[in-house]
Amino acid sequence: DAGVIQSPRHEVTEMGQEVTLRCKPISGHDYLFWYRQTMMRGLELLIYFNNNVPIDDSGMPEDRFSAKMPNASFSTLKIQPSEPRDSAVYFCASSSPRDRGPGGYGYTFGSGTRLTVV
Amino acid sequence: GNSVTQMEGPVTLSEEAFLTINCTYTATGYPSLFWYVQYPGEGLQLLLKATKADDKGSNKGFEATYRKETTSFHLEKGSVQVSDSAVYFCALKDSSYKLIFGSGTRLLVRP
Repeated sequence: DAGVIQSPRHEVTEMGQEVTLRCKPISGHDYLFWYRQTMMRGLELLIYFNNNVPIDDSGMPEDRFSAKMPNASFSTLKIQPSEPRDSAVYFCASSSPRDRGPGGYGYTFGSGTRLTVV
Repeated sequence: GNSVTQMEGPVTLSEEAFLTINCTYTATGYPSLFWYVQYPGEGLQLLLKATKADDKGSNKGFEATYRKETTSFHLEKGSVQVSDSAVYFCALKDSSYKLIFGSGTRLLVRP
């Protein structure tokens, strides 16, 4: 398996523009998580899905942020309009309670999208 | 609520020194505990885990023991290498299946 795949790796956009981050989880994983990482706030859980259904979005900072998971192999995180304070690295991770391999019970993270809003 | 507290970094060591990174947690019930490592420009990778009290997780020379009586999961390695330089995150998974991370500890190993 290629692991969790995120795109793009880097995104630079102007304030006010719409930004869409993409994630492809590991096949067979039924949990998907979006995290944001900044120096000031560390790793923050934004939202997570189970079987494509959003379970907890209490970490989404405000209405400018939205996330979808239209099927088991794809999720998006959208920011509209973007602001400079949204600049961060955004990680997607997937997991499955049935995973009995070395990573079992843990999450597998993608390489992240570094977002810069100017 | 559930939380994880890690020692502040950076931790700077010479090669072959002994490493300890402290981690304590607050949680209801019986969480699973993890250490993740993040190398520059990369995502987090699972380093080791422990799912119940007194379990010892180990990988690549790193070890951590789940101590329920002290609510701790300290990371140790007997002899660090330059290649171990990274940021280390302690985390717990609660009954909701969410991973809650500590703030991370940067380790710098000098030759």
